[in-house]
Amino acid sequence: GNSVTQMEGPVTLSEEAFLTINCTYTATGYPSLFWYVQYPGEGLQLLLKATKADDKGSNKGFEATYRKETTSFHLEKGSVQVSDSAVYFCALRGWGAQKLVFGQGTRLTINP
Amino acid sequence: EPEVTQTPSHQVTQMGQEVILRCVPISNHLYFYWYRQILGQKVEFLVSFYNNEISEKSEIFDDQFSVERPDGSNFTLKIRSTKLEDSAMYFCASSDSNQPQHFGDGTRLSIL
Repeated sequence: GNSVTQMEGPVTLSEEAFLTINCTYTATGYPSLFWYVQYPGEGLQLLLKATKADDKGSNKGFEATYRKETTSFHLEKGSVQVSDSAVYFCALRGWGAQKLVFGQGTRLTINP
Repeated sequence: EPEVTQTPSHQVTQMGQEVILRCVPISNHLYFYWYRQILGQKVEFLVSFYNNEISEKSEIFDDQFSVERPDGSNFTLKIRSTKLEDSAMYFCASSDSNQPQHFGDGTRLSIL
């Protein structure tokens, strides 16, 4: 079945550092890929998405590129802020399906 | 921006009791979902609902679980006889066709 694997957390960085959170997936066909973010005490918010190979999703300075050849969708940000501290979830939706399959989440802490 | 709202935010219930978790999806959405996250584990899909019937369910969603859209706005998840292992954060989500899912802030269910 479909699955998503994220890099182990927690990740701790200093403000203005470069961020990468790795995400790889296993799926048949052509899944859609997502990053969701969960701030403390809140629900899951869509951060960005990509629906086909080589698409780049971007939002709030975060980017991720759908790489079919490496089955990856790594999340990057050039300069993180304290307000980016949250848990980040990579997810996929299989071709023709509705349900989301999530990775285990990566807790990110940014220190001033 | 429209939101998915969930009530209550925290529910404490004795083992063996019935519990109903409530959700108000975004008003023009047609697809509704429940997910759960046991502490420290992945977000897991439970069930999807479309056109007044279940469109997909996971192995977790056994006979103890049911969903209902009792009126034009609410979407509920009922657990008939709760077990200790039902303790988790339960997230409701809604979407419009193949658009990304929007999540509520979740209900923390604690079974004593």
